[in-house]
Amino acid sequence: DAGVIQSPRHEVTEMGQEVTLRCKPISGHDYLFWYRQTMMRGLELLIYFNNNVPIDDSGMPEDRFSAKMPNASFSTLKIQPSEPRDSAVYFCASSPRGYANTGELFFGEGSRLTVL
Amino acid sequence: GENVEQHPSTLSVQEGDSAVIKCTYSDSASNYFPWYKQELGKGPQLIIDIRSNVGEKKDQRIAVTLNKTAKHFSLHITETQPEDSAVYFCAASILYNTDKLIFGTGTRLQVFP
Repeated sequence: DAGVIQSPRHEVTEMGQEVTLRCKPISGHDYLFWYRQTMMRGLELLIYFNNNVPIDDSGMPEDRFSAKMPNASFSTLKIQPSEPRDSAVYFCASSPRGYANTGELFFGEGSRLTVL
Repeated sequence: GENVEQHPSTLSVQEGDSAVIKCTYSDSASNYFPWYKQELGKGPQLIIDIRSNVGEKKDQRIAVTLNKTAKHFSLHITETQPEDSAVYFCAASILYNTDKLIFGTGTRLQVFP
């Protein structure tokens, strides 16, 4: 398996622009997580899905952030409008059925976002 | 909610020495404690984990210990090698009760040849 695939790997945009990050989880994994990584705050959970349904979005910073999972093989994280403080590396991770029993997350390589 | 503190934030050791990273957690109901290694430009990868019914677990040069009373757990790397250089994250979760994994802030380990 190719692992969790994220795109784009790097994104540079100007403040106010819309940003869409994409994720393809590992086939057969029922859980999908979006994390944000910054030097100051480390790895923060933004939102996660179980069987395409958002379970907990309490980590989403504000209304400018939204996430969708239209099917089992695709998820997006959208920021509109983007701000310089959104600059970070955004990770998508997936986990197989029984995550609650095993706990292991499989991370993608991340999308580095820079908002100027 | 759960909070995980990790120390130190940076750690430099000579090749062959041991490295120890410590974490404390706040929620006494936590029962699952994994450690992830993140190499430059990559996503974190699970290297070892421990559950609350076990006090210590080893995997070759890596070991993790858990003190439930004090609510802290540690990662021990022996005979360090340059390829151990990475950022290490501890995490805590409450299996069977929540799907959340809360991470510590990370430790950047540098192993000098």
